[in-house]
Amino acid sequence: ETGVTQTPRHLVMGMTNKKSLKCEQHLGHNAMYWYKQSAKKPLELMFVYNFKEQTENNSVPSRFSPECPNSSHLFLHLHTLQPEDSALYLCASSQDGDGPNQPQHFGDGTRLSIL
Amino acid sequence: DQQVKQNSPSLSVQEGRISILNCDYTNSMFDYFLWYKKYPAEGPTFLISISSIKDKNEDGRFTVFLNKSAKHLSLHIVPSQPGDSAVYFCAASGSGNKLVFGAGTILRVKS
Repeated sequence: ETGVTQTPRHLVMGMTNKKSLKCEQHLGHNAMYWYKQSAKKPLELMFVYNFKEQTENNSVPSRFSPECPNSSHLFLHLHTLQPEDSALYLCASSQDGDGPNQPQHFGDGTRLSIL
Repeated sequence: DQQVKQNSPSLSVQEGRISILNCDYTNSMFDYFLWYKKYPAEGPTFLISISSIKDKNEDGRFTVFLNKSAKHLSLHIVPSQPGDSAVYFCAASGSGNKLVFGAGTILRVKS
């Protein structure tokens, strides 16, 4: 399996549920990213991990909790979400998070719906 | 305050003709620019990039032009094919590797 894989592809949850999104990359990259894409809005960077260390938290509410156990895996733990959190959540990876001029490679996303 | 803007929400082009997608940016610290293509139900796919030391980069049917003084870049696709129909995102980064994306332009190539 190659590239960036995200599971699940679709998730419907209530506001009181706890769930997790998973991302795995098979590209040998050292940096991983979470993005949010709401309807008709640009992709918004949420978190950056570089060599398993969080290097960026873009003022994301604490109901979103990322975890990066190793350079190949990234999780986004969700709890007590709000309806406005319904969006497409995209994971990406790149060779490293500090080096310049590197494209990021994206997974297919998790479509999240909050009831 | 959007630092990367794609002012055309959509573009329709006849098969075989040239498609030109435009992008403007405001942050003069941006030094690396990328174009991504996205099909429905898939993630964005990296298409082509250009660093600020160049003004043109070509890869097959795709060419990206950068005009630093105007803070403008464009993606040319020639000849356009029906399979090119997708959403195209422009992105930019400065120091480090944090990308700032535009809102996207829907390209429809008619056969």
